[in-house]
Formats: sequence, C-alpha cells, structure tokens
Amino acid sequence: ESVLTQSPGTLTLSPGDRATLSCRASQFVSSNKLAWYQQKPGQAPRLLIYGASSRATDIPDRFSGSGSGTDFTLTINRLEPEDFAVYYCQQYGSSVLTFGGGTTVQIK
Amino acid sequence: EEHLVGSGGGLVQPGGSLRLSCAASGFTLSNYAINWVRQAPGKGLEWVSYISSTGSTTFYADSVKGRFTISRDNAKNSVYLQMRSLRAEDTAVYFCARGWAHPDYFDLWGQGSLVTVSS
Repeated sequence: ESVLTQSPGTLTLSPGDRATLSCRASQFVSSNKLAWYQQKPGQAPRLLIYGASSRATDIPDRFSGSGSGTDFTLTINRLEPEDFAVYYCQQYGSSVLTFGGGTTVQIK
Repeated sequence: EEHLVGSGGGLVQPGGSLRLSCAASGFTLSNYAINWVRQAPGKGLEWVSYISSTGSTTFYADSVKGRFTISRDNAKNSVYLQMRSLRAEDTAVYFCARGWAHPDYFDLWGQGSLVTVSS
C-alpha cells in the first residue's frame, strides 16, 4: 500500500498569496495517477486535478498540479477567499486507493 | 446538472446493520462505476468499496471486507452499501463517488451520510 504524506499540515497565508502543497508517496505512482481534491467544512470533496497535472472541469487556472514518480505539488496562485480549505491528494496507480492526510490552507 | 445523493445514515449499535443508498440525477448511473469513501470525524479520507458500471466487479478495503457489501440497481439509478457487524471505528461520514474503473479518481461526490456506531 502506497502511503501519501502531505506537507505542511497547515499553511497560513493571505488572499493573493501563492500556496505550495506537497504530496510524497512511499511508492512510485504508476503513470502519474495522482489526484488532488479540495474540501470545505461540511461539504464533500471536489476534484481539482487528475493525472498529476490535468485540471478538472470548471476548475480555475490558478490551480495547477505538477510532479512525477513519488513527489507531487499542488500550487494555488493568487489565493481567493474561497480557496481556504483542506486539500487532499489521492493515488490511483495501485489497486489499493490511498489518500494523503490533508493540508489545511487557512487565512492569516 | 449532475448530482449524487446519499441517504440511509443514522445511529446504530455495535454489531448492528445499516444500508446506505446513493442515487444519481442528471446523468445515467449505469454508465459509471461508483465507490464509497468514508471520513471519520475530524479525520482524512478512506476508500471503502468499488462497484463496476454493470455490477459484475466489486472491491473492498481490508478494513470492511466480509462485513460490507456493495450492490447496484441500474433500473433504479441507485447504488447501495450494506453494512453489517458494525464497529465503533466504522463511525464516519460515508460519501458515494463516481469513477470510471478501478483504480480511478472521483469526479463527482455525493453530499455524505453520517453513520454513528454507538451503544
């Protein structure tokens, strides 16, 4: 089972800042099958990125994903007030799907 | 607009059973695989189970194998999760989520159903 470690646990930033979130896998992620989700309190997760770098439908271009192998990054440029939330990565390169523990992006 | 709507959560005693439902609107459920993902209070996400579009293939996390059963009725545009021998550690919000195959990412999620296992 591939363990995904997200860092930092919490990111404290201001609107307009850039957020850089990391997701490190304990095993090579096949074909860069890595997704990112955003979750707000009391809501279901929302798909942001799949295939490590492809934006999902209707996701603004300030969200971008990068990386390969075992190291992946989600970057949010020019944080908007609605971007403060918890972000999870997920690998789907192996039959046992796993999620990272999450990174909270909170307002300074 | 496409939606998944979960229902059936509630309070159940340890060792009890509960069935969750997931209904689709705005799209044809029979074209997609469906998964269940759960989230314990204040915790992260855990994949639970998968069912293929036809219902012919299912997978389970080790933590629920032998206790949970996923099924679907495409004529009713619904997917179900039958949960038996429930334990305190099964307490969580259960989300249904749409995919294409297994393993896969999830492009549409239901709003979640809270299952509380407690005496």
